[in-house]
Amino acid sequence: DGGITQSPKYLFRKEGQNVTLSCEQNLNHDAMYWYRQDPGQGLRLIYYSQIVNDFQKGDIAEGYSVSREKKESFPLTVTSAQKNPTAFYLCASRQASTATQYFGPGTRLLVL
Amino acid sequence: DAKTTQPPSMDCAEGRAANLPCNHSTISGNEYVYWYRQIHSQGPQYIIHGLKNNETNEMASLIITEDRKSSTLILPHATLRDTAVYYCIVRVPSINKFYFGSGTKLNVKP
Repeated sequence: DGGITQSPKYLFRKEGQNVTLSCEQNLNHDAMYWYRQDPGQGLRLIYYSQIVNDFQKGDIAEGYSVSREKKESFPLTVTSAQKNPTAFYLCASRQASTATQYFGPGTRLLVL
Repeated sequence: DAKTTQPPSMDCAEGRAANLPCNHSTISGNEYVYWYRQIHSQGPQYIIHGLKNNETNEMASLIITEDRKSSTLILPHATLRDTAVYYCIVRVPSINKFYFGSGTKLNVKP
């Protein structure tokens, strides 16, 4: 069963806490992306990685960090510096031949 | 910095064709147009993409105007399961970034 998995489906964060969202893909795609979606809004790019051990900031990277140690995995950490983290977080990977991005099911982050 | 504009919502009768417009008047010659849809609280689903020629697949057709400043996604026979938010996106090849607009909420009614 190929595709992109994200976990957990729901995540709760306390004040001052860092939390990490998981994203795994078995599609053998080089590039991976993290987006944030607020209610009623489109997706905004947080970070992206074109290849293992390399990543670039997107449009709203402040308060977030990522790593790309393996091709299959691109975890996103929401740090305490992100003052408004409540949102729906989507991970995607890109098929090189068509440049099409394929999305995971998302993680909804809520602040306690 | 979304590069597309879409109407916020549209209605369509079940079984009829749904025609969703998108304006991308600042698109550059090497930028592709992609369409995705998102059913509530799920990840976006790829539909179709094109550069300048019209495209068709099993889900939809994409009509791009000759000047490439606008496009239309056509769902030939809309069903209730096609109710979703549809995003028209421009991709910049050099950096492979997608710019998502606010999308069109398509309501398919019986």
